[in-house]
Amino acid sequence: AQKVTQAQTEISVVEKEDVTLDCVYETRDTTYYLFWYKQPPSGELVFLIRRNSFDEQNEISGRYSWNFQKSTSSFNFTITASQVVDSAVYFCALSPITQGGSEKLVFGKGTKLTVNP
Amino acid sequence: ETGVTQTPRHLVMGMTNKKSLKCEQHLGHNAMYWYKQSAKKPLELMFVYNFKEQTENNSVPSRFSPECPNSSHLFLHLHTLQPEDSALYLCASSQDTQGRYGYTFGSGTRLTVV
Repeated sequence: AQKVTQAQTEISVVEKEDVTLDCVYETRDTTYYLFWYKQPPSGELVFLIRRNSFDEQNEISGRYSWNFQKSTSSFNFTITASQVVDSAVYFCALSPITQGGSEKLVFGKGTKLTVNP
Repeated sequence: ETGVTQTPRHLVMGMTNKKSLKCEQHLGHNAMYWYKQSAKKPLELMFVYNFKEQTENNSVPSRFSPECPNSSHLFLHLHTLQPEDSALYLCASSQDTQGRYGYTFGSGTRLTVV
């Protein structure tokens, strides 16, 4: 069975601080995808990144960076120089990669980030 | 515009009412999903449709009835709901059901059952 744990329920920071959102996952599958989504107050989940288990290279996109550590089953997300617009709920998710069939996207409970001016 | 449109955005219904949620995508995706988001719980997958065929029903009570007339439209018919069914219902679509190209979510319908 798959499980995604986001231990931080809520985080509050002041603008321009760096913040890291933790994600730990469990899976018996050897190949899988990991995702991060952002859910602003408007409700829709906005796709941020997808990584596959083959590729442990860290990724940077502007102020966002992701640290994938297969050895510790973690896929942490860091926002550098946070801004008020980063305030949202962030979800980490896992999906196995298999041939054919319908695969579930399993979500963590989310971390609510509040960036104060 | 997210690519996946859900209507209505908000819905209040009584326990004896019948209502429907609508989801529409014109992204050319072949798979569509219903998710339920309750307070302090992970998003729960409810139904999966692939090429209009239901491929997964995640033990959802029969008071929720999905319908997928074509690859672009997905409905969730609601009847005799309970207050605990109050939640944000999110629709998503993907090119295939393996998530290789990610999933696109709508803004959701905030449902309140009174």
